[in-house]
Amino acid sequence: GDSVTQMEGPVTLSEEAFLTINCTYTATGYPSLFWYVQYPGEGLQLLLKATKADDKGSNKGFEATYRKETTSFHLEKGSVQVSDSAVYFCALSEKEGAQKLVFGQGTRLTINP
Amino acid sequence: GAGVSQTPSNKVTEKGKYVELRCDPISGHTALYWYRQSLGQGPEFLIYFQGTGAADDSGLPNDRFFAVRPEGSVSTLKIQRTERGDSAVYLCASSAQGAKTEAFFGQGTRLTVV
Repeated sequence: GDSVTQMEGPVTLSEEAFLTINCTYTATGYPSLFWYVQYPGEGLQLLLKATKADDKGSNKGFEATYRKETTSFHLEKGSVQVSDSAVYFCALSEKEGAQKLVFGQGTRLTINP
Repeated sequence: GAGVSQTPSNKVTEKGKYVELRCDPISGHTALYWYRQSLGQGPEFLIYFQGTGAADDSGLPNDRFFAVRPEGSVSTLKIQRTERGDSAVYLCASSAQGAKTEAFFGQGTRLTVV
C-alpha cells in the first residue's frame, strides 16, 4: 500500500538557519503530495501541495518540489524563524484533493532564538 | 463557527465502555473525514463521508468503530467496548465539494481508555 517516510525528529535549529525535512513516498499511482503543519495548540493546517511531477509548492517561505524520479517531496526554507516551531507532516493522496490522506510520522521542529 | 469543531476536546473512559465523538464541519462542506493519531505517529485515515453516505470506510479498524452523518453536516464517531489500544487523538476534517479542495482539520478529541 501507499506509504510516506519522513526524516526522524526532533530537529532543533537556530533562527535564520537553513531547513530541510526529508520526505519520500511509495505509491502505486501518481499521487498528490502535501505538507501539513501543526502549531502548538492548533489543528493541522495545509502548508503547501503539489499535484504532479516537477511541480513546486510554496507558502510562507517554505518550498517543496515533487520529484517523481526519486519519489521525494523534501521541505525546505532558507531562513527559519522561532514562529516556525511546529510539527510538520508529509502526506500523499491518490486523488487530487484531500481524500484519504496517507501521512508520515511527523517531524517536530524547534527553532531557538 | 469559522472552523471545524470537535467535542469533547478530551474524553477519559473505562475499558469496555461506549463513547461518541462529535464533529461539526465548516458550514457548507460536503466532505467529512475522520482520522486517528496515535502518540508519535501521523494521522491514519478512518472514514470519509460525501454528504450523508460513507464513501470510503476502509480505514475503520474493526466493527467496534462506526460513524454516522445523518443530515450531511454533523458527524459522530462511535466506539463500542473500548480497549486501551483505542487511546489516541481522533481528528475530523472537512472540505468543500470538488477534487482540488483543501481539507480543514479540527483540533481533535483526545481519547484515553483506562
